[in-house]
Amino acid sequence: QSALTQPPSASGSPGQSVTISCAGTSSDVGNYKYVSWYQQHPGKAPKLIIYEVSQRPSGVPDRFSGSKSGDTASLTVSGLQAEDEGDYYCSSYAGSHTLVFGGGTKLTVL
Amino acid sequence: QVQFEQSGAEVKKPGASVRVSCKASGYRFTSYAMHWVRQAPGQGPEWMGWINIGNGNTKYSEKFQNRLTISRDTSATTTYMELSSLTSEDTAVYYCARENVRQIDYWGQGTLVTVSS
Repeated sequence: QSALTQPPSASGSPGQSVTISCAGTSSDVGNYKYVSWYQQHPGKAPKLIIYEVSQRPSGVPDRFSGSKSGDTASLTVSGLQAEDEGDYYCSSYAGSHTLVFGGGTKLTVL
Repeated sequence: QVQFEQSGAEVKKPGASVRVSCKASGYRFTSYAMHWVRQAPGQGPEWMGWINIGNGNTKYSEKFQNRLTISRDTSATTTYMELSSLTSEDTAVYYCARENVRQIDYWGQGTLVTVSS
């Protein structure tokens, strides 16, 4: 069970859009709709921002959107704001009650 | 609202064991499974294991198969994670997290476990 692959960093100016990829395999991302994304600020627990590939929990701005194509999922943050800066992690169900996470992407708002 | 109260930070010597607790509130405890996830400094989260709160069934990552025990006390709405034979590589923040349809929706605040001689 290998970690999902994310770019270590991403950046954009306020108002711009940025997309973060999450590459898995046919055993996890490619096989299930249970892909989620989390935002984490320093010293805090992760917070769910996308579930089931593209669904947003109540209270999460619609600037956050998710998609999936084959074994790769993506998170897009539109209209970047300063408070979007932080670490982002993807996760996928991998069968038999197991989960796998990505290594994380540090998003910088320039 | 859904909340988890985890036990406090621990400092352990190599070879020792650690037990972290996670008390849930704000929802029907037996209706949701729980996961334990750890995060080493500067690293991404690492899945450790899962417990069905209703019947106590567990599933562990192969990486921790021989030294991880996850349990629960339904009367206390508390989940426990015990990791034995600690080494410096086990230094991390340990999180309990609630599963909602095969995904984590809520996380505890985390418990820092430091392993040092």
